[in-house]
Amino acid sequence: DTAVSQTPKYLVTQMGNDKSIKCEQNLGHDTMYWYKQDSKKFLKIMFSYNNKELIINETVPNRFSPKSPDKAHLNLHINSLELGDSAVYFCASSQTGTGTDTQYFGPGTRLTVL
Amino acid sequence: AQSVTQLGSHVSVSEGALVLLRCNYSSSVPPYLFWYVQYPNQGLQLLLKYTSAATLVKGINGFEAEFKKSETSFHLTKPSAHMSDAAEYFCAVSDSSYKLIFGSGTRLLVRP
Repeated sequence: DTAVSQTPKYLVTQMGNDKSIKCEQNLGHDTMYWYKQDSKKFLKIMFSYNNKELIINETVPNRFSPKSPDKAHLNLHINSLELGDSAVYFCASSQTGTGTDTQYFGPGTRLTVL
Repeated sequence: AQSVTQLGSHVSVSEGALVLLRCNYSSSVPPYLFWYVQYPNQGLQLLLKYTSAATLVKGINGFEAEFKKSETSFHLTKPSAHMSDAAEYFCAVSDSSYKLIFGSGTRLLVRP
């Protein structure tokens, strides 16, 4: 069983479109995250949810909107896609979200905006 | 604000040689420190973490790291590199919050 899964694995779309990425974890964790990895492999946190509540919202354009329907799911919706949104997006989860927690990462979604 | 600096974007070693990947951190509070590994086209996997217990931390696949407060360092080592160790390695720091701050990564190349 995959601990943290993401769909789709690859996403190719045109500028201006709206797309969503889904994430599910079966680890029973309370906290979930979205990270963006750019072409230089730099990883930056975007959002974090704890028990369905938003607790981290980094400086991310408001075209990005996370939604957590329940503790096991955290989806990312992106409106009006731009070329600069091309990246690999990783979902992660951790037990409680405290600083000592191990974060478990999904396999990533490679988004290409043409 | 916390930050992590990884010295060397690429490190190349021969199979069987010592692996040393450098990480220095900046934190105004006692930090928690992590090393993650990313194999090609995969997500990140925890190698080891320091959470203020023993300063020498042993991880998976024969890796270990030593927390040195005086040097603000948390370098990753492995006595003998295997071909399967070729990957991207990320050092990260967090405090008591929910946030992990990653370094820019070091690509380890292992020559046969």
